[in-house]
Amino acid sequence: GAGVSQTPSNKVTEKGKYVELRCDPISGHTALYWYRQSLGQGPEFLIYFQGTGAADDSGLPNDRFFAVRPEGSVSTLKIQRTERGDSAVYLCASSLLRQGRGTEAFFGQGTRLTVV
Amino acid sequence: AQSVAQPEDQVNVAEGNPLTVKCTYSVSGNPYLFWYVQYPNRGLQFLLKYITGDNLVKGSYGFEAEFNKSQTSFHLKKPSALVSDSALYFCAVRGGTASKLTFGTGTRLQVTL
Repeated sequence: GAGVSQTPSNKVTEKGKYVELRCDPISGHTALYWYRQSLGQGPEFLIYFQGTGAADDSGLPNDRFFAVRPEGSVSTLKIQRTERGDSAVYLCASSLLRQGRGTEAFFGQGTRLTVV
Repeated sequence: AQSVAQPEDQVNVAEGNPLTVKCTYSVSGNPYLFWYVQYPNRGLQFLLKYITGDNLVKGSYGFEAEFNKSQTSFHLKKPSALVSDSALYFCAVRGGTASKLTFGTGTRLQVTL
């Protein structure tokens, strides 16, 4: 596709439920990032993939959060036992990081997660 | 650790006047600096970046930014603001061996007639 695609655009779930958020990066982009943005805040880093592997997962808040990218393209962010504090906009971005650290990342529209 | 500070929650400017949105950073090694803009219910859009070379970089929609190494700043500027520039602006940094972008808390730009 032309840009980073995230589905669903909105997700409402009950506390304690499991959710999956999907990210389809720009074709050919090897680097993929997940960020979380709470109201009035800047994007907060969660995890970074280079290819299929998680190169940096230091931003995952706890073991309820997990992300995969099995074929080096589409990624899924998984949240178990959701809590109301998980409510936020989850942003995905991709880039051609192999071109160097000056390469910009392109963001999707985000998934707004609401835990009730 | 790398960090970004955007000291102003909001900047108000009249249309046609110049605007500045401030950003300072802290990073180990050479900084790679970025500005993004976010319109309501939209994702982040890349505006411009500094990698190396000229301290004044030009980007989309007439925006430019000035890199100042001694002041560790990367302020966003535009000579003549438009009402349509009203949005949320984020500064971000990637430094040293880091691959992740670290963002500031954002500055809301309000341009009025």
